[in-house]
Amino acid sequence: EAGVTQFPSHSVIEKGQTVTLRCDPISGHDNLYWYRRVMGKEIKFLLHFVKESKQDESGMPNNRFLAERTGGTYSTLKVQPAELEDSGVYFCASSRYLTSGGLYEQYFGPGTRLTVT
Amino acid sequence: GDSVTQMEGPVTLSEEAFLTINCTYTATGYPSLFWYVQYPGEGLQLLLKATKADDKGSNKGFEATYRKETTSFHLEKGSVQVSDSAVYFCALTSGSSNTGKLIFGQGTTLQVKP
Repeated sequence: EAGVTQFPSHSVIEKGQTVTLRCDPISGHDNLYWYRRVMGKEIKFLLHFVKESKQDESGMPNNRFLAERTGGTYSTLKVQPAELEDSGVYFCASSRYLTSGGLYEQYFGPGTRLTVT
Repeated sequence: GDSVTQMEGPVTLSEEAFLTINCTYTATGYPSLFWYVQYPGEGLQLLLKATKADDKGSNKGFEATYRKETTSFHLEKGSVQVSDSAVYFCALTSGSSNTGKLIFGQGTTLQVKP
């Protein structure tokens, strides 16, 4: 079974440009999450999809960030226009379903390192 | 809101030394607790978990016990190896969450020297 994949692995862009990150979850996983780690700090939740619907987007920092999940399969996270503080590592994770007791097992991708100069 | 606090790193140990990485949490209700590990160049992997008070999670020689009275979930290993060098993240999901989102600590870098 293939794991969660993310593309690109690394992106360097200038302030004001647009970048789109992609995540392909494990096949059959309805739940898809985006997280971000900025400058060695804690990993922070951005948003959660159940299939193609946004279940929780409370962690999205502002309206420069747009996430989509076409047909409930892969997801994209677009940053437009990018600012210096958007630099960090963006992780995607997926899980199959809510297990008993409310315990989710999330499988993470390797992350996309975004550098905004 | 819910939060997780980990000891700051980096932690540098010699091979076969005893490891403790402290983790405390603040949460309403009854969270589930996790340790994730990120090896160089890889994504986060679930290392171990515990879902209720006094549960002990264990995997690959690592252990952590869910202590509700001290709101802690410290990670321990009796004898570390060079291959354990990685970044370790303590995390929780809220017991009242219907999304399963993880709340992480800041991560602790472990370097094990031969």
